[in-house]
Amino acid sequence: NAGVTQTPKFQVLKTGQSMTLQCAQDMNHNSMYWYRQDPGMGLRLIYYSASEGTTDKGEVPNGYNVSRLNKREFSLRLESAAPSQTSVYFCASTGTYEQYFGPGTRLTVT
Amino acid sequence: DAKTTQPPSMDCAEGRAANLPCNHSTISGNEYVYWYRQIHSQGPQYIIHGLKNNETNEMASLIITEDRKSSTLILPHATLRDTAVYYCIVRGNTGGFKTIFGAGTRLFVKA
Repeated sequence: NAGVTQTPKFQVLKTGQSMTLQCAQDMNHNSMYWYRQDPGMGLRLIYYSASEGTTDKGEVPNGYNVSRLNKREFSLRLESAAPSQTSVYFCASTGTYEQYFGPGTRLTVT
Repeated sequence: DAKTTQPPSMDCAEGRAANLPCNHSTISGNEYVYWYRQIHSQGPQYIIHGLKNNETNEMASLIITEDRKSSTLILPHATLRDTAVYYCIVRGNTGGFKTIFGAGTRLFVKA
């Protein structure tokens, strides 16, 4: 039981490049989330998916797209990366109560 | 979704109880209070949650006021490893679990 896994762990992009952050959970949870955390700040919700086939915007969705590929996987795409998107990205899933978080992806956009 | 207010930082002596307050004056009747903590740059870790009764588990106790407008997380015997950022979150258990984190309280446990 791996919990929530994220790939890659680290990534450096140039401005304007695109990439997809992958997230998977093996706990059969319905809800999944993407957050970003800037240095010294709290987590901000980017997008979430209440169940397979649905996605909704969070607090800071601009510049991102998501896909809930199936119940296990929820990906986050940056179409044209900007330096302001330099951050740590956390994926999470929720069962009945608590959220479980992945280890994070550290993204730097130069 | 209800908002929460927490002090930005607190200190606690090792071995003493750490009492972390949270205000959530706009909480709705079906919303739960959750507490998480984040150590260094790891993903947040669930601690405890409650609706209106006080709750206790192996990590902490949660005290919710009778009007539910505030709560306190208690770490009964703080250790250096409890130094972390603690987040208080209010969230319903329906409608897709939209979960918003605030800035949290940075707890420093000192020897």
